[in-house]
Amino acid sequence: QKEVEQNSGPLSVPEGAIASLNCTYSDRGSQSFFWYRQYSGKSPELIMFIYSNGDKEDGRFTAQLNKASQYVSLLIRDSQPSDSATYLCAVRTSGTYKYIFGTGTRLKVLA
Amino acid sequence: DAGVIQSPRHEVTEMGQEVTLRCKPISGHNSLFWYRQTMMRGLELLIYFNNNVPIDDSGMPEDRFSAKMPNASFSTLKIQPSEPRDSAVYFCASSWQIQETQYFGPGTRLLVL
Repeated sequence: QKEVEQNSGPLSVPEGAIASLNCTYSDRGSQSFFWYRQYSGKSPELIMFIYSNGDKEDGRFTAQLNKASQYVSLLIRDSQPSDSATYLCAVRTSGTYKYIFGTGTRLKVLA
Repeated sequence: DAGVIQSPRHEVTEMGQEVTLRCKPISGHNSLFWYRQTMMRGLELLIYFNNNVPIDDSGMPEDRFSAKMPNASFSTLKIQPSEPRDSAVYFCASSWQIQETQYFGPGTRLLVL
């Protein structure tokens, strides 16, 4: 079992729709969770981080964390073609400062 | 503010040659991370430093890889000798404290022929 798992996609949504990206992790003691966006040929850039169970909203983005079920998700409201990218979930495992990244979900927002 | 700076941005070399990748973290950041990204394996942490000291190098694939951080504003990742399977994008990231958010540089695309 991979430590951090994501569906590779592509996930295709129409412009204006809600895109839902999911990530599961295996280390139950993980404390910190991050979503990065990576455009093709570019470096990962941080979108959001979440530490506590529940929802955290920032503009069109909402991160959701459920530690009991060991999943974290990212919702993108009013999706735009410019949101088309690969979204990487990263988990900081317990007892270390290491980020473990998922392999990413490719999102395509169709105009 | 300048972000993380990496050089070179692209490197093409032949198998057996030495390759040195360079990174300048964001000023004031005291933690630095080296990653490698491939299609097959995704983004993998190779090594990270805190206050110029290597903390965990368990991700370094083999002895051909070495990393140094001689001061707070400079780090190198060296591959000697290089092999075709080392072809990847190598990212450097920094954070102001080791537990804080990491910010990535633009990456170095390495191709070993």
